Amino acid sequence: DGGITQSPKYLFRKEGQNVTLSCEQNLNHDAMYWYRQDPGQGLRLIYYSQIVNDFQKGDIAEGYSVSREKKESFPLTVTSAQKNPTAFYLCATARGAEHYGYTFGSGTRLTVV
Amino acid sequence: QKEVEQNSGPLSVPEGAIASLNCTYSDRGSQSFFWYRQYSGKSPELIMFIYSNGDKEDGRFTAQLNKASQYVSLLIRDSQPSDSATYLCAPRTASPSGGSYIPTFGRGTSLIVHP
Repeated sequence: DGGITQSPKYLFRKEGQNVTLSCEQNLNHDAMYWYRQDPGQGLRLIYYSQIVNDFQKGDIAEGYSVSREKKESFPLTVTSAQKNPTAFYLCATARGAEHYGYTFGSGTRLTVV
Repeated sequence: QKEVEQNSGPLSVPEGAIASLNCTYSDRGSQSFFWYRQYSGKSPELIMFIYSNGDKEDGRFTAQLNKASQYVSLLIRDSQPSDSATYLCAPRTASPSGGSYIPTFGRGTSLIVHP
């Protein structure tokens, strides 16, 4: 089955620690995206990538980093510079730059302890 | 800043009624729109995509678009308890770097359908 796999489902981070969230897709979609969702809030764009080895900052990129070395993979690192990282993180893909709708992964819930 | 406004709700309707969810947007350049449904604790799923003025129907769902008024709505007929979820409106807007389109999400409207 084609789809998006996000791991882990739950992640706990200590203060000052970097953590990496995984996103893998086998849909052969060109574009991949990372969103953050806080309770009662909409989705806010962190980073996106239209092609391999290229990515763009979204609205809230500070404190995050990404890489796109393979078409199938778009990992997100939450660095210690992100002061309030507790949130629900969603990875999404779209077929191309024209964008006719996302396919979302099941999400990673990150909590700072 | 591109704004997308939705009433956060909750909107409570009885089973079998029509639920009406509304969305306004500020970017006149937005030409097409998505509606996503998100169950509590889950990821969003695409339920409608509309790009022409007027109505688009898909089963019990009807999306209505009025570009002149910068208004898009979603009607759910014969509402069922399983429709209870948050509905996110997302205009498709041009990315700052150009050459691609990225949705801008509203905060969503919580719908509760009670038996």
